Amino acid sequence: DGGITQSPKYLFRKEGQNVTLSCEQNLNHDAMYWYRQDPGQGLRLIYYSQIVNDFQKGDIAEGYSVSREKKESFPLTVTSAQKNPTAFYLCASSILLGSNTGELFFGEGSRLTVL
Amino acid sequence: AQSVSQHNHHVILSEAASLELGCNYSYGGTVNLFWYVQYPGQHLQLLLKYFSGDPLVKGIKGFEAEFIKSKFSFNLRKPSVQWSDTAEYFCAVNAGGSQGNLIFGKGTKLSVKP
Repeated sequence: DGGITQSPKYLFRKEGQNVTLSCEQNLNHDAMYWYRQDPGQGLRLIYYSQIVNDFQKGDIAEGYSVSREKKESFPLTVTSAQKNPTAFYLCASSILLGSNTGELFFGEGSRLTVL
Repeated sequence: AQSVSQHNHHVILSEAASLELGCNYSYGGTVNLFWYVQYPGQHLQLLLKYFSGDPLVKGIKGFEAEFIKSKFSFNLRKPSVQWSDTAEYFCAVNAGGSQGNLIFGKGTKLSVKP
């Protein structure tokens, strides 16, 4: 089955700790994205990547970091600098941006709770 | 900056009632428009999309949306809702020439009473 796999599904972290969320896709999509979903806020873009070894900041990148060493993988690190990290994190992917379709395929999400 | 507005935060309907969820966007050029749905405990799924052509778009599960360019709107409709339509609905816009990411509205939670 082709799709996007996020792990872990639930994660608890103490304040001051960094945590990395995994996102893997086997759809052969070029572009990958990280969104944050908060109640009543919709989805806000954290980072996105159009190609391996390149990524761009989204609207709320502060306190987060990413890497794109492989086409299939786009891990997100929530650092201790992120002031309000408790949220639901969604990873998505899309086909080559040249087509500009914008249709995103989403993973099931990772819920991070900071204690 | 581009933005997407969804007018209703929470809509409560009885089964068989008609549904219309409002969505307006702020961008003057070419846009691609989407509605996504998130059922309880499930991941976001595409409901329907508009790229070009007929402004009335039909999606899955009997949903449709109409693109009205002059009003910058892309409202979602369904003639008769079912209890299984209970979910959160997100409107999203991909503005022409952008890097490819979608701008999402804040979502509308739909609760359908059996």
